[in-house]
Amino acid sequence: AQTVTQSQPEMSVQEAETVTLSCTYDTSESDYYLFWYKQPPSRQMILVIRQEAYKQQNATENRFSVNFQKAAKSFSLKISDSQLGDAAMYFCAYRSYTGNQFYFGTGTSLTVIP
Amino acid sequence: DAGITQSPRHKVTETGTPVTLRCHQTENHRYMYWYRQDPGHGLRLIHYSYGVKDTDKGEVSDGYSVSRSKTEDFLLTLESATSSQTSVYFCAISSSWTGANVLTFGAGSRLTVL
Repeated sequence: AQTVTQSQPEMSVQEAETVTLSCTYDTSESDYYLFWYKQPPSRQMILVIRQEAYKQQNATENRFSVNFQKAAKSFSLKISDSQLGDAAMYFCAYRSYTGNQFYFGTGTSLTVIP
Repeated sequence: DAGITQSPRHKVTETGTPVTLRCHQTENHRYMYWYRQDPGHGLRLIHYSYGVKDTDKGEVSDGYSVSRSKTEDFLLTLESATSSQTSVYFCAISSSWTGANVLTFGAGSRLTVL
């Protein structure tokens, strides 16, 4: 099974500032997909962003962007202009190109300070 | 929201009793999953289904069984609940194994085993 590691159990950021959440993964595959999911206090899991490993360009969704370093097996999430509504648990996830399972990290709890 | 409904949303039961959680989707997606979420463990796959009556085990399947008699329904059963099965359970759906198809989650079911 692939391993996904989120080494920051908790992070905090001032409102309007930028924060980066880290994620590393272990795989021997060359084709795969990476995801960031957000889980606010409502408990609903929400897709934030996804990245195909064969794409060199980093994915961006509005204030959310990733830094995908394939050789380093690193997939960090940058949140710009942080808002109070960004406060949540963030999960990094991996899925192989033809795989049938998603592997999740243990999550990073993000606090946004007004 | 994707049409995924989990029931019950909350349940308290006693050790040794059977419990069934239901996941119902209106998306006609082929693939359905059951995950459990525990602090420090992220989300872990219990069982998944790739079609009616087609199911397979995930990484934490011991003590759980599943059934899928219709495309829209995926049931998770704890034959004899134990305190270690106290958790939040999420159902998820996906339209395909391949491609950057994402998991779409239900709202979760909190189960407490006393």
